Amino acid sequence: KAGVTQTPRYLIKTRGQQVTLSCSPISGHRSVSWYQQTPGQGLQFLFEYFSETQRNKGNFPGRFSGRQFSNSRSEMNVSTLELGDSALYLCASSLQGGADNEQFFGPGTRLTVL
Amino acid sequence: GENVEQHPSTLSVQEGDSAVIKCTYSDSASNYFPWYKQELGKGPQLIIDIRSNVGEKKDQRIAVTLNKTAKHFSLHITETQPEDSAVYFCAAKTGGFKTIFGAGTRLFVKA
Repeated sequence: KAGVTQTPRYLIKTRGQQVTLSCSPISGHRSVSWYQQTPGQGLQFLFEYFSETQRNKGNFPGRFSGRQFSNSRSEMNVSTLELGDSALYLCASSLQGGADNEQFFGPGTRLTVL
Repeated sequence: GENVEQHPSTLSVQEGDSAVIKCTYSDSASNYFPWYKQELGKGPQLIIDIRSNVGEKKDQRIAVTLNKTAKHFSLHITETQPEDSAVYFCAAKTGGFKTIFGAGTRLFVKA
C-alpha cells in the first residue's frame, strides 16, 4: 500500500508570491490534515478536511487555505508569502479523522521564502 | 487554548539506558494521546498511542503511561539503541479532529 505522498518536496519562492502544495492520502483514507513545522514553533495544526469539507482549522491567517477533492487528494495554498512562512509543510491522512484514527504523515514539502 | 507541554527538549543517554519523555496537556476533553518519532528528512511516524480509558500500554521496549487526573502522559524507552536517536513528539487529540503536538524532544543515544 502506497504511503502519503506530497509534491513538490522542495520549493523556493520569493516574498509576495503564492504557492500550492499537494497531498495524496493513502488509498481509502478520507481525512487529510495539514501541519506547519518550524524549529521555533514545532508542529502547528493548519486544517483538516474530510469528504471535501473543512472540519477544523488552526490559528493561521486567511492567507493559508486548502481544499479537498472528491478523490480525497488535498491541496493547500499560501498567498502573499512572507519570510516567516518558510517551513516544512506536512500532510497526514487517516481513515475518518476521529480521535483514535491513526494519522500517517507524508515526507513533507520544504518551502523556503526568500 | 489547547496546549501540550513536552520535556525535556533534548535528552542524551548511553546505549542500553532508559529514556523518559514527559508531556502535560491542558484540554481535559482530550481522549487520545499518540507519540511520534521523526527521523531526519521524514515525516513523523506513530510509535505508540494510548486512549483515555487506559492507564498504561506497552509495546516491546516502548511504554506509555497516562494520568488523566494530573493531565500527564509519558513515554518510556528501555534498552535504548543508537537507532532510537530521533525527535519524539507527544500529542493530544479531542473529538474535534484536531491534534495538538508538543514541541518535541531530541533524543541522542550514544553508543
